[in-house]
This record gives sequence, C-alpha cells and structure tokens, in this order.
Amino acid sequence: EVQLVESGGGLVKPGGSLRLSCSASGFSFSTAWMSWVRQAPGKGLEWVGRIKKKSDGEITDYAAAVRGRFTISRDDSKNTLYLQMNSLQIEDTAVYYCTWYYYDRLNPWGQGTLVTVSS
Amino acid sequence: DIQMTQSPSSLSASVGDSVTITCRASQSISNSLNWYQQKPGKAPKLLIYAASTLQDGVPSRFTGSRSGTDFTLTINSLQPEDFAVYYCQQSYNSPDTFGQGTRLDIK
Repeated sequence: EVQLVESGGGLVKPGGSLRLSCSASGFSFSTAWMSWVRQAPGKGLEWVGRIKKKSDGEITDYAAAVRGRFTISRDDSKNTLYLQMNSLQIEDTAVYYCTWYYYDRLNPWGQGTLVTVSS
Repeated sequence: DIQMTQSPSSLSASVGDSVTITCRASQSISNSLNWYQQKPGKAPKLLIYAASTLQDGVPSRFTGSRSGTDFTLTINSLQPEDFAVYYCQQSYNSPDTFGQGTRLDIK
C-alpha cells in the first residue's frame, strides 16, 4: 500500500523558516515525481511545486507565490521528500500535503501537516 | 499561468439526484484535467484523470467529459457519501492549477 506521511509542521513567526518532510513507502520513490500542495484554512487547493526524479535531473517547478522562498528536495536513500520554507509570511498558513505526481495526476496524498505563521 | 474557472461554487442536491460541475480552462489543455473529491478534514482523493478516465475503485456514477476547453464532472444518483467539495486540476502546463472548488451540500 502506498503511504505518504508528512511531518514538521508547526507555529512559526513571520520571516521564519520551517522544513517539512514526507516519508514515502509502498512504491518506488526514486522513480517518482513528487509534489507539494497546500490549502489555507477554509480555502481551496493551491499547487506549491514539484520535483522530478533523479534521472530527469531532479528538476523543480514552483508556483509564483513561493518561488525564491521555498525549495523542494528529495533524499531517495531515505524515501523522503522535503519542503524547505524560508521567509514565511502569514499567507503561507495552510495544511501542506505531499503527493505522488503520477503520470500528470496527484495520487495518492498524505494526510497533511499544518503550518501556522503568526506573531 | 493557465486559469481554471470552476462552476458553480456551491450547489445543493438530494440523494438520488444527478449533478454536473464544470471547469473551463483559459487555454487548450488537451485532456490534462483531473478531478478530486475532498471531505472535511481529509486529504483530497483522485476521482477522474485525463478528463474521463475513472480512477480505480471510484464508483461508475462518476463520469468526466471534455468539450474543447470545457470539462464536466457528472455524478449520477447521488449517494450520501458524495456530499463533499470537488476540485478540478490542470496538469498540462507548469504550474499546475486548480479550480476554486465546488461545495456539494445535501438539500
């Protein structure tokens, strides 16, 4: 069974940093493209970014709202996806989901981890 | 970025009804359109991919179709477990973008 488990969320002050992790199991993580999607409280889904597999150059793409502040990376030896978030703003408050970017569709999704940016 | 305009933003229906949700892309996205269902406090779940292909395990009362840049999700014979929020997503061009969501409530 494919499982994605996010961790690392919490409360952080504006301007601060946080690193989220997503532990993957049940599939070949090293050959998977992976994505982060977020959802602000009471709002819709927002694509954050994506990382391709190593053989595709581990190329990353980001939404404009986070480009230059967020960095997606992966450690295939640990089956783990990361989201490094710097210069956090109040509007970055959201549940962050890790998901397998499988043939142009997002499936499955982790349970999400809440990031709250507040002073 | 490609804009996805989803409508309606909300609708009410009864068990047994049929409903249709529409997503319009701001440019051609071929068939690169997916539909997700999200229930309160849960992660989204993939329902339909490539505009009209049903994800494994999803009931056949869910159907997807495309006409140009217009995409529809139809749910026939609504069941109690279908009341949720539905999102479309285009994966044709990065960045991927979602529709605003449609909340389906029980009438």
